[in-house]
Amino acid sequence: QKEVEQNSGPLSVPEGAIASLNCTYSDRGSQSFFWYRQYSGKSPELIMFIYSNGDKEDGRFTAQLNKASQYVSLLIRDSQPSDSATYLCAVNGAGSYQLTFGKGTKLSVIP
Amino acid sequence: DAGVIQSPRHEVTEMGQEVTLRCKPISGHDYLFWYRQTMMRGLELLIYFNNNVPIDDSGMPEDRFSAKMPNASFSTLKIQPSEPRDSAVYFCASRPGTLYNSPLHFGNGTRLTVT
Repeated sequence: QKEVEQNSGPLSVPEGAIASLNCTYSDRGSQSFFWYRQYSGKSPELIMFIYSNGDKEDGRFTAQLNKASQYVSLLIRDSQPSDSATYLCAVNGAGSYQLTFGKGTKLSVIP
Repeated sequence: DAGVIQSPRHEVTEMGQEVTLRCKPISGHDYLFWYRQTMMRGLELLIYFNNNVPIDDSGMPEDRFSAKMPNASFSTLKIQPSEPRDSAVYFCASRPGTLYNSPLHFGNGTRLTVT
């Protein structure tokens, strides 16, 4: 059973701070990793994907991947109230087009 | 690109009734997925198709659930008979088959309430 684990939160950070969201996965053969953002009542939308060890930056967002530790994280710099949402980690197994999602971490950015 | 289109947006039905959810994937996407989302279980994969062929239906909870994809532009998820525990948001998503790291594109979902 492939599992993706996230802290459900809620994670509360003050406006302007760095929010750190974490995710671990069980399938060591996993190859691609995605972060989705989901606002209440809306569908998930892709923020970033990463498939190589290390960091990948896109604007205020940085994804970090450590395959040896089976760990992926998302950092949000200069957090804004509009970043308040649930963040879903998703993992693509080796040779698979199927994405397994974590249950998500609810982030609240306090003005 | 209109994105993934699902209908209806909301469905309220009584226990025992048949429910049919519909999805139109993004044109050119080879893979179509049906997910169910609840507070308790998060996003669960029910079934997915590749080029209209079901590949993995191990997530379909019971025989009451069935899914079809008669052509590349249309898929249905049917629940017959429906039960209150089927109440959830059902998402359809599609992705191209060119790369394993191609992202999923979600529809707006169907919120199903079974009373």
